[in-house]
Amino acid sequence: IAGITQAPTSQILAAGRRMTLRCTQDMRHNAMYWYRQDLGLGLRLIHYSNTAGTTGKGEVPDGYSVSRANTDDFPLTLASAVPSQTSVYFCASSLHQGANSPLHFGNGTRLTVT
Amino acid sequence: RKEVEQDPGPFNVPEGATVAFNCTYSNSASQSFFWYRQDCRKEPKLLMSVYSSGNEDGRFTAQLNRASQYISLLIRDSKLSDSATYLCVVNLVQGAQKLVFGQGTRLTINP
Repeated sequence: IAGITQAPTSQILAAGRRMTLRCTQDMRHNAMYWYRQDLGLGLRLIHYSNTAGTTGKGEVPDGYSVSRANTDDFPLTLASAVPSQTSVYFCASSLHQGANSPLHFGNGTRLTVT
Repeated sequence: RKEVEQDPGPFNVPEGATVAFNCTYSNSASQSFFWYRQDCRKEPKLLMSVYSSGNEDGRFTAQLNRASQYISLLIRDSKLSDSATYLCVVNLVQGAQKLVFGQGTRLTINP
């Protein structure tokens, strides 16, 4: 089934640990994104990639890094997790970066940093 | 002022009622507008794009008012299955995907 797959679905992580959230899409979309969603704040962009080999910073990039080695995969890494990174993380993709290209979201990863 | 603002609700309306939400945006250069729907503990999904001339999809009507910088979503003959959070989304920059999400309006349809 075409779409976006995120893993893990949920995770409890000790502060200071390193964690990589995985995201894979099979729709051959050029652009991919990572958002975090927190109560009362809505969805906020962490990092994005307009095409394989390029990445950019979003609204809240600190403490996170991404890579885009190929079209399909866009992992998000927390180098040293902190409790404020407790959130629901959504990966998304769009066919291209244009203004009218809608986003397709993965199912999300619920991360708790203790 | 937030770039995109929505009334968080919750809105509780009886089945069959008509309900409307507004969303305001601060940047007059905003290029495109969308409504997404998000069910509890699920991912957001595109409900509809919002065009300058207004557009309708079944029971849903979206409108854009550039002069007053708001978009609206009208749901007619509401169903229990319409219960969800509705996210207003604005693209601020032409040619680049800089989408800004509102915090969402929670809607509950009661039997």
